[in-house]
Amino acid sequence: DGGITQSPKYLFRKEGQNVTLSCEQNLNHDAMYWYRQDPGQGLRLIYYSQIVNDFQKGDIAEGYSVSREKKESFPLTVTSAQKNPTAFYLCASSTGPSYGYTFGSGTRLTVV
Amino acid sequence: QKEVEQDPGPLSVPEGAIVSLNCTYSNSAFQYFMWYRQYSRKGPELLMYTYSSGNKEDGRFTAQVDKSSKYISLFIRDSQPSDSATYLCAMSSAGNTPLVFGKGTRLSVIA
Repeated sequence: DGGITQSPKYLFRKEGQNVTLSCEQNLNHDAMYWYRQDPGQGLRLIYYSQIVNDFQKGDIAEGYSVSREKKESFPLTVTSAQKNPTAFYLCASSTGPSYGYTFGSGTRLTVV
Repeated sequence: QKEVEQDPGPLSVPEGAIVSLNCTYSNSAFQYFMWYRQYSRKGPELLMYTYSSGNKEDGRFTAQVDKSSKYISLFIRDSQPSDSATYLCAMSSAGNTPLVFGKGTRLSVIA
């Protein structure tokens, strides 16, 4: 079945650590996105990539980094520079924004 | 003024009620309008998709777009407890600009 897979489902990070969230899709979509969701805040765009080896910052990119070495994969690293990383992270893919997104099931990151 | 405004609710209705969810927007370049449904601790799923103005119906769900008023709506008829979720509106202009989302409205349908 085609889809988009995020792992892990739950992730715990100690203060000062970097962690990487995985996002893989087998939908042959060109574009991939990372969003952060906090209660009452809606979806906020972190980074997006429209093609391999290229990506753009979203509204809240500070403290995050991404790579797009393969069409299927768009991992997100939450660095120690992100001061408030506890949130629900959603990855999405699309053939283009006008066609809508397919979302993964999310990763819940908690700082301990 | 935020680009997309959506009342966060929460909205609580009895089973069988008609539900109306709404978003307003400020960017007149938006042409593609969507509604997503998100169950608790899950990713959003695309529910309705509309291009430009007009209505679209799919079973108990109807999406309306009024570009002259910059206003979109989602109607749910004969609401069911399984409709309890957060509903997010989203929209985009032509090209590759990412979708802009509303903050979501949390809906509870009480049996």
